[in-house]
Amino acid sequence: NAGVTQTPKFQVLKTGQSMTLQCAQDMNHNSMYWYRQDPGMGLRLIYYSASEGTTDKGEVPNGYNVSRLNKREFSLRLESAAPSQTSVYFCASKGLTSDTQYFGPGTRLTVL
Amino acid sequence: AQSVTQLDSHVSVSEGTPVLLRCNYSSSYSPSLFWYVQHPNKGLQLLLKYTSAATLVKGINGFEAEFKKSETSFHLTKPSAHMSDAAEYFCVVSDISGSARQLTFGSGTQLTVLP
Repeated sequence: NAGVTQTPKFQVLKTGQSMTLQCAQDMNHNSMYWYRQDPGMGLRLIYYSASEGTTDKGEVPNGYNVSRLNKREFSLRLESAAPSQTSVYFCASKGLTSDTQYFGPGTRLTVL
Repeated sequence: AQSVTQLDSHVSVSEGTPVLLRCNYSSSYSPSLFWYVQHPNKGLQLLLKYTSAATLVKGINGFEAEFKKSETSFHLTKPSAHMSDAAEYFCVVSDISGSARQLTFGSGTQLTVLP
């Protein structure tokens, strides 16, 4: 099993450009999450989807949108990228009966 | 609301000596607690988790952590550091918030292992 996969691994954008980060999991998990990681701040939750068809804001949702396309896939969209969104983005998933989240390898995004 | 404080942003030890990474938490309910490790330019890997069973939790690679409710602590230890342990470690609390249990991360402790 691949677990949680993310594409792309790296991306450079100019201010104002848009892009979508893709995440997929093959563990039949109900819940999926998007985090950003910045130096000295741990990971902060952007959005999450407790189950297929639902999405909720996390701690830092401004400037982002999400889509839970189906049970496997959860995408994160930046409509108009800003330098403050330069970060490493992690997707995670969790099964219904467990607290443990499983993380993807991350997407390193730079906004110039 | 839950929160996590990792008391040291950097810890440096010599190879073969003990490791202690400190973590305090606050939570409104009975939390689950985790330690994750992140090697350079990699994703996060679960080291161990506490979910209200035994207070001493054993994880992978010789790490263990003790849950102390009276001290609201969940410190991570290892008897003998190895060079491959050099990484960033995150203490994490899971609690109910909104429509799902959510994780709150500490700010991380960078572990350096000296030869």
